[in-house]
Amino acid sequence: EIVLTQSPGTLSLSPGERATLSCRASQSLTSIYLGWYQQKPGQAPRLLIYATSSRATGIPDRFSGSGSGTDFTLTINRLEPEDFAVYYCQQYGNSPWTFGQGTKVEIK
Amino acid sequence: QVQLLESGPGLVKPSETLSLMCTVSGASISSYYWSWFRQPPGKGLEWIGYIYSSGSTNYNPSLNSRVTMSVDTSKNQFSLKLSSVTAADTAVYYCARDFSTWGQGTLVTVSS
Repeated sequence: EIVLTQSPGTLSLSPGERATLSCRASQSLTSIYLGWYQQKPGQAPRLLIYATSSRATGIPDRFSGSGSGTDFTLTINRLEPEDFAVYYCQQYGNSPWTFGQGTKVEIK
Repeated sequence: QVQLLESGPGLVKPSETLSLMCTVSGASISSYYWSWFRQPPGKGLEWIGYIYSSGSTNYNPSLNSRVTMSVDTSKNQFSLKLSSVTAADTAVYYCARDFSTWGQGTLVTVSS
């Protein structure tokens, strides 16, 4: 099973700042099989990024993804108030599909 | 617009079988992969498995011996059964199409 480790656990930032979230895999991934989700309290996860860097439908361009091998990054430029949430990475290239433990982006 | 809606008992007794249904509207179930995920209260996400419209399945090995998924194309529904449940199976259960469309989730509590 591929283990995904996200860091930091919590990111305290102000609106307008940039958020950089990390996801490290226990073994090398094929880039097309790495995605990122946003989840707010009481809501289902929302797909932001798939295939490492492709934005899902309707996702603003302040969200971007990058990376390869075992190291992947989600960047949120100019944080908006609605961006404060928990973010998860997921790999779906190897069964079982697995998620990172999440990074909480909170208002500083 | 594709919508998914989970339904089923919110309370299941230990050792019994959890049964959930996901009803799909706005799209035919006769294509795509249809998945189940869960999230224990205050914790992260776990993939349970998926079923293709043909009936082929792929389950998480951690749950494999207890999971059964099926699809009913005539009703545009797919289902999840998880047997021999314990308190550790208490979670919000989500159904999803691919990764982009999710149901709202349904909380299932395992308790006597």
